[in-house]
Amino acid sequence: ETGVTQSPTHLIKTRGQQVTLRCSSQSGHNTVSWYQQALGQGPQFIFQYYREEENGRGNFPPRFSGLQFPNYSSELNVNALELDDSALYLCASSLGVTGPPRWEQYFGPGTRLTVT
Amino acid sequence: GESVGLHLPTLSVQEGDNSIINCAYSNSASDYFIWYKQESGKGPQFIIDIRSNMDKRQGQRVTVLLNKTVKHLSLQIAATQPGDSAVYFCAETDSNSGYALNFGKGTSLLVTP
Repeated sequence: ETGVTQSPTHLIKTRGQQVTLRCSSQSGHNTVSWYQQALGQGPQFIFQYYREEENGRGNFPPRFSGLQFPNYSSELNVNALELDDSALYLCASSLGVTGPPRWEQYFGPGTRLTVT
Repeated sequence: GESVGLHLPTLSVQEGDNSIINCAYSNSASDYFIWYKQESGKGPQFIIDIRSNMDKRQGQRVTVLLNKTVKHLSLQIAATQPGDSAVYFCAETDSNSGYALNFGKGTSLLVTP
């Protein structure tokens, strides 16, 4: 059984650019959630995808968008990057509807995004 | 707004001692409370969870206590080891939010020899 993987590990972008982060969910998990973790803070919920549809969203602007694919992998896209977007972006997968409860989420190692 | 917070930002304990990490929450609708451990450069790792209709749950070397009257959650680690050094987060979630996790700021646990 493979765990949650994310790519890339690190990324440096310039303010105003766009970025795409990728996540492969744990084997058998159909729900993916994305979190932003600023330095020294707890993760903040961005949005969740369940069976390829957005299933909840936190307090993040529309320039944060996502996709989930038929194999349950997911992308996080951020447009018009701002300096405050610099953070660790975490992906977590869980099994919805059947199997273990959805609150039991398994996190990937994260992508460290630096915006200059 | 609703929030999950921690009483202490840092905790230093000696190896072999017991550790207690505390957390306060304010969302009365929380269904589940979860403790995560995050080591440097890694994503949060699930430790233990507790449902809102329980007041205690035990795992391997860890115990979570829930006091709904005062909206307080604690994580007890028995016989703390150097490998326990990490940042610990409590999180709460409820079915209304689709089980999105609401994290607190974290407590840094340092285990000294």
